[in-house]
Amino acid sequence: EVQLVETGGGLVQPGRSLKLSCVASGFTFNNYWMSWTRQAPGKGLEWVASITNSGGSTYYPDSVKGRFTISRDNAQNTLYLQMNSLRSEDTATYYCTREGYWYFDFWGPGTMVTVSS
Amino acid sequence: DVVMTQTPVSLSVSLGNQASISCRSSQSLLHSDGNTYLSWYLQKPGQSPQLLIYLASNRFSGVSNRFSGSGSGTDFTLKISRVEPEDLGVYYCFQHTHLPYTFGAGTKLELK
Repeated sequence: EVQLVETGGGLVQPGRSLKLSCVASGFTFNNYWMSWTRQAPGKGLEWVASITNSGGSTYYPDSVKGRFTISRDNAQNTLYLQMNSLRSEDTATYYCTREGYWYFDFWGPGTMVTVSS
Repeated sequence: DVVMTQTPVSLSVSLGNQASISCRSSQSLLHSDGNTYLSWYLQKPGQSPQLLIYLASNRFSGVSNRFSGSGSGTDFTLKISRVEPEDLGVYYCFQHTHLPYTFGAGTKLELK
């Protein structure tokens, strides 16, 4: 059974940093691209970052480019999201998602990040 | 960026009736590899999104055949036949043909 479990969320002050983790199980992690997607409270979904299966390439929207870094440790079956210079508009639930070739299929339960002074 | 416009914003249906949701993209979602990377998700209250349809018209594993997707280019539709209580929630379309990947704003399906 595919499982994705995110951790690392919490309350952080504007301008500070936070690192999220996602532990994967139930599939061969290094065969899949992975992504982070977020959802602000009561709002829609926003794709945040993707990484290739080897970790050699990464992709971001302009809203987080230069502030967020996606990475992975294939030996530990773990995906990361390093978030720097956090803003109030980064407040959201962050989901770890598996990327198949044709679809983003499995999502974790999410971890909540609140950016507030 | 590709803008995904979903209509309606909310949809009130009676159990057993059909529901239809439209998603229009600001540019064609046909990829140079010949695929159209348009997916539909349902997010039930308090849950993560779940994949229903991929490549515009393919049902994901385990999804009821009451869900069907159609469309090409810039116009796409999700149809739900014989709506059941477990179908209620917010539906999102999502394109991953063009970077940055983008979602529609969502359509809330409610009971009449």
